[in-house]
Amino acid sequence: GQNIDQPTEMTATEGAIVQINCTYQTSGFNGLFWYQQHAGEAPTFLSYNVLDGLEEKGRFSSFLSRSKGYSYLLLKELQMKDSASYLCAVKDSNYQLIWGAGTKLIIKP
Amino acid sequence: EPEVTQTPSHQVTQMGQEVILRCVPISNHLYFYWYRQILGQKVEFLVSFYNNEISEKSEIFDDQFSVERPDGSNFTLKIRSTKLEDSAMYFCASKDVGGTGQPQHFGDGTRLSIL
Repeated sequence: GQNIDQPTEMTATEGAIVQINCTYQTSGFNGLFWYQQHAGEAPTFLSYNVLDGLEEKGRFSSFLSRSKGYSYLLLKELQMKDSASYLCAVKDSNYQLIWGAGTKLIIKP
Repeated sequence: EPEVTQTPSHQVTQMGQEVILRCVPISNHLYFYWYRQILGQKVEFLVSFYNNEISEKSEIFDDQFSVERPDGSNFTLKIRSTKLEDSAMYFCASKDVGGTGQPQHFGDGTRLSIL
């Protein structure tokens, strides 16, 4: 079966750095996406990785290791508005997005 | 910035009734999707649509469900004989052409409550 694992919840302090991990086992791999979802709202696109390595985009970076089936999302200089769920999603061999359950990130002042 | 719009934002329906959820994808996008998210659970793929036909569908998308693009702008999801377990947030998404890295853009969702 296809499986994507993320921690259920994480807590961090405003101004700090947090790393959210994602491991996956899917039938094929055509890229990994990170989305942010505020409660009751739509997921919004953050990043895409298809090759190994780090992709940096402002305060957010995403890393991929295909051999390990592993990715992480790194958030720097945390702000209160970063409190949200962070969803890891993998595009499988059918180009279908398989979603993790999301990591709820709580930012404390 | 162009966005995906969904109507209604909240739909309350009696069990057994039919509902139609409406979406207007971003105008130049060619790939359309419906997802479901039961409260507190993960996003689940329902169906993808391209070139006026279904390209992929999940096990959830059985004969109870259908999609249609009745004109050049709308993309609808019809759920027949609704059940209590159909209560969820339904998201529409659209995607531009390009490589596999093109992200899907999501609408704000329709919250469907079956009574």
